[in-house]
Amino acid sequence: GNSVTQMEGPVTLSEEAFLTINCTYTATGYPSLFWYVQYPGEGLQLLLKATKADDKGSNKGFEATYRKETTSFHLEKGSVQVSDSAVYFCALSIGNQGGKLIFGQGTELSVKP
Amino acid sequence: NAGVTQTPKFQVLKTGQSMTLQCAQDMNHEYMSWYRQDPGMGLRLIHYSVGAGITDQGEVPNGYNVSRSTTEDFPLRLLSAAPSQTSVYFCASSSTGTADTEAFFGQGTRLTVV
Repeated sequence: GNSVTQMEGPVTLSEEAFLTINCTYTATGYPSLFWYVQYPGEGLQLLLKATKADDKGSNKGFEATYRKETTSFHLEKGSVQVSDSAVYFCALSIGNQGGKLIFGQGTELSVKP
Repeated sequence: NAGVTQTPKFQVLKTGQSMTLQCAQDMNHEYMSWYRQDPGMGLRLIHYSVGAGITDQGEVPNGYNVSRSTTEDFPLRLLSAAPSQTSVYFCASSSTGTADTEAFFGQGTRLTVV
């Protein structure tokens, strides 16, 4: 079946630290991969995406590269800010399935000043 | 820019009560979905719709009903609430059904069943 596994949280970092959140997937087809972010009290919003192998998605200083050989899509940021505190979800979508998403467990990030 | 609007934001139900969670979008999106968010489990798909009059089950459909009479609205009905349905519910919409499409989410409904 199709599934997404991401590193467990919570993750606590100091401001300006380097961030990595690991995400691996299992898929029967050729998925598109996403990172969604949920700020406190809000719904999810798209952070970045990649649709084919070796694509790099990037937004707001965050990056993730679609690695087909390791079935991974790790999220990175070189210097986190307090405003990056949120829950991050890795997700995949396959084929023409009505935009259905399969999510990982979510990783809560807390950045301290 | 309303986007996806969910009501209510918070709700407390007694076991056995019924209620409807409302979801409306103003982006003319054909595809709409309901997810529930539980600690340590991410979001799981309950039901989805690919257009008015067309719905189908997701991963965890038991205890929930949906209908889609208009493009804009996609209500989720709990027929007889159970404590296991305590969760945060998110409605989402997307413009296409392709794998690379972005989903737009509402702010969620936090439901507690006592």
